[in-house]
Amino acid sequence: AQRVTQPEKLLSVFKGAPVELKCNYSYSGSPELFWYVQYSRQRLQLLLRHISRESIKGFTADLNKGETSFHLKKPFAQEEDSAMYYCALSGGDTGNQFYFGTGTSLTVIP
Amino acid sequence: DAGITQSPRHKVTETGTPVTLRCHQTENHRYMYWYRQDPGHGLRLIHYSYGVKDTDKGEVSDGYSVSRSKTEDFLLTLESATSSQTSVYFCAISEQGAWTEAFFGQGTRLTVV
Repeated sequence: AQRVTQPEKLLSVFKGAPVELKCNYSYSGSPELFWYVQYSRQRLQLLLRHISRESIKGFTADLNKGETSFHLKKPFAQEEDSAMYYCALSGGDTGNQFYFGTGTSLTVIP
Repeated sequence: DAGITQSPRHKVTETGTPVTLRCHQTENHRYMYWYRQDPGHGLRLIHYSYGVKDTDKGEVSDGYSVSRSKTEDFLLTLESATSSQTSVYFCAISEQGAWTEAFFGQGTRLTVV
């Protein structure tokens, strides 16, 4: 079975502080992992995916297969980062389905 | 924004009535998905389609049916709405399935009273 766990429902950090949103997964094969973000009154959109190794809006995420984690990090949080963040997984035997975590609501305090 | 629209955007309906939500895309993407978003549960897949007339169930498919008679439209039907189906419903599209980026619609807020 494929499962994505985001242990924090709510996360608050001060502006300028580092932020880390945790994502752990359970998958027997080689997963494809994504972070999606939903800003207030906007559509859910892709933030980054591990295969592209990009840094988007200052966020990075490293796939750690040993710890089965894909944590999202940013060294200096900005107010505009306040949003709902979802970690998602897919893979060769997921039948073309994305599996999403329960989401973490990030609030950046001015 | 990717060309994907959902209708209606908001709906209130009574328990026991059938409801159909529509997802329309202009991107000619092969894959289309219906999710529901609930607090504490995140996004859960209801059904998805991998081509015209080709659909499959997701993890929370009970009480829902779908149809895709043409590439651009994916319909979600609640056969007999229940209060537990009060939720925000999202449609998503993807060009090559779950290996590529999913683009989401604006969501439909459904309330069953």
